[in-house]
Amino acid sequence: GAVVSQHPSRVICKSGTSVKIECRSLDFQATTMFWYRQFPKQSLMLMATSNEGSKATYEQGVEKDKFLINHASLTLSTLTVTSAHPEDSSFYICSARKERLTNEKLFFGSGTQLSVL
Amino acid sequence: GENVEQHPSTLSVQEGDSAVIKCTYSDSASNYFPWYKQELGKGPQLIIDIRSNVGEKKDQRIAVTLNKTAKHFSLHITETQPEDSAVYFCAATFTSGTYKYIFGTGTRLKVLA
Repeated sequence: GAVVSQHPSRVICKSGTSVKIECRSLDFQATTMFWYRQFPKQSLMLMATSNEGSKATYEQGVEKDKFLINHASLTLSTLTVTSAHPEDSSFYICSARKERLTNEKLFFGSGTQLSVL
Repeated sequence: GENVEQHPSTLSVQEGDSAVIKCTYSDSASNYFPWYKQELGKGPQLIIDIRSNVGEKKDQRIAVTLNKTAKHFSLHITETQPEDSAVYFCAATFTSGTYKYIFGTGTRLKVLA
């Protein structure tokens, strides 16, 4: 199988604080991880593509300084929401691409519900 | 642009009936099309996928068909069960610039017992 572990599952923080979300591929190496944001009853919106050992590629409209992404190893990517505000409250989901030959399968973590007070 | 359209947004079927969800994509170069099932408060789970060199793929009660010429693909669920109730997302890969997966808007499937 392909397991992607995401922590924490839920976080409540005060406005102005920073929150770090971890995404780990447990049984495979992931050179590429993706971070999505999902509002209630809406689709998954791609925020950024995280590549191991290099800078993340952000989608248009996503603030790089607001959403810091680090992909330091082949099994770990982190998303840090800096100086969080209520409008950052959302469901954040990471995913990892299992690459083997031409295998493009994408597996998701369980998501993190962020609530900023 | 990079776009995946999905229909319908909601779908109610009687238990045992079939459900069909359709998606269209904008980039003729897209070559991989996965389908995901998402339950409330959880991450999406991959249920079936298809590559552009295949027209149809089946896995028990679930099947996916792909029409590359028309740039659309569909998910078919037969003999639906209450546990099939969830939100289903289609996706397509886009390769201009960085390799990425773009998702459809989702279909909320409700299977009525």
